[in-house]
Amino acid sequence: QQQVKQSPQSLIVQKGGISIINCAYENTAFDYFPWYQQFPGKGPALLIAIRPDVSEKKEGRFTISFNKSAKQFSLHIMDSQPGDSATYFCAALRRRKLVFGTGTRLLVSP
Amino acid sequence: GAGVSQSPSNKVTEKGKDVELRCDPISGHTALYWYRQSLGQGLEFLIYFQGNSAPDKSGLPSDRFSAERTGGSVSTLTIQRTQQEDSAVYLCASSLGTGDYGYTFGSGTRLTVV
Repeated sequence: QQQVKQSPQSLIVQKGGISIINCAYENTAFDYFPWYQQFPGKGPALLIAIRPDVSEKKEGRFTISFNKSAKQFSLHIMDSQPGDSATYFCAALRRRKLVFGTGTRLLVSP
Repeated sequence: GAGVSQSPSNKVTEKGKDVELRCDPISGHTALYWYRQSLGQGLEFLIYFQGNSAPDKSGLPSDRFSAERTGGSVSTLTIQRTQQEDSAVYLCASSLGTGDYGYTFGSGTRLTVV
């Protein structure tokens, strides 16, 4: 059962543009929503995370927007750079177990 | 150590053989997790250890899979009688424990069953 749906599957953005990745979840018992960045041959690395009682969190160029009523959350990467090219996973946590989205492959063109 | 260390980084095994994958968590991290990443199933939870508590094995896909954690530190994931569908990247993560959701993942072990 796919509990966290992620879109798009892939994304191409020009350098300096805004990258937007969306996720939707079904289980209202999730209590933490992290985003992970993964480079080839490496494990996922925590990028930014939010709790459901907060509607937005910003860290540098990365922002999470969270809509609890719609059960949706999104990652915005401002001023996207070629070094941001990676696969991004949203996730939701319940009872110490992460449920991951299917991933978005981001390519930032120079 | 500075990060979560996993070994081997790559493992090729014949169908039907047993394999052991090792995870060395960050020093002081009491919680340890195993996940599997495959093309067909994405990233999925396997098992979770917290201190001396009984592990949460709810994600193990079959009884061919088992894991242990010795001395509250190093963990070994064992797959018996490997099948081709076991081919995947096995990822280990650790965290400080209850209340700490900042999981640090290792680079994984890529398992190929031929």
